[in-house]
Amino acid sequence: GAVVSQHPSWVICKSGTSVKIECRSLDFQATTMFWYRQFPKQSLMLMATSNEGSKATYEQGVEKDKFLINHASLTLSTLTVTSAHPEDSSFYICSARLAGRYEQYFGPGTRLTVT
Amino acid sequence: EDKVVQSPLSLVVHEGDTVTLNCSYEVTNFRSLLWYKQEKKAPTFLFMLTSSGIEKKSGRLSSILDKKELFSILNITATQTGDSAVYLCAVSGGSQGNLIFGKGTKLSVKP
Repeated sequence: GAVVSQHPSWVICKSGTSVKIECRSLDFQATTMFWYRQFPKQSLMLMATSNEGSKATYEQGVEKDKFLINHASLTLSTLTVTSAHPEDSSFYICSARLAGRYEQYFGPGTRLTVT
Repeated sequence: EDKVVQSPLSLVVHEGDTVTLNCSYEVTNFRSLLWYKQEKKAPTFLFMLTSSGIEKKSGRLSSILDKKELFSILNITATQTGDSAVYLCAVSGGSQGNLIFGKGTKLSVKP
């Protein structure tokens, strides 16, 4: 149980284009989903927290207009990187949490490369 | 500022050795401490600890929390090459219960 999927697993895009990453909880309903990014050899950095049906809460320093998060249902959250730049190249990981629980279950991650 | 500190940052051992990974924290509104294993992709959940002094065990891995001294340890006995990974410690705290991650301990197990 507690399986989270992400799509795509890797994507290469050109500078200036937008990329959408999907995060799905496959066998449970996730009231809260989280988006992290991870640079090589560094730990996970929380970007934003999203609760189903409400606006995402962004961490300090994360541009909400650049990283658009939509949590339309209890099983799906999307992250759209708008007008991507090479410095946005990173490993993006989502996680999901059940209501009333503390542990988060992570998706397999999406490797984004912006050329 | 909330923080989670792991030590050592990296560790190289031989198969069969026993290792202890450390995690200390200073987090407001502590809720739980979690251990994850990260290989090439996203972290996989190992343990969640909420109470002091109660050991959690899964095969060769075990973990315990000390809420008075604000630390946890993760033990791996009879290590195998498949245990090679980055082990992340995270604490759920703050106003929202979000996870605050340590930098991880990179464990390399040599045959």
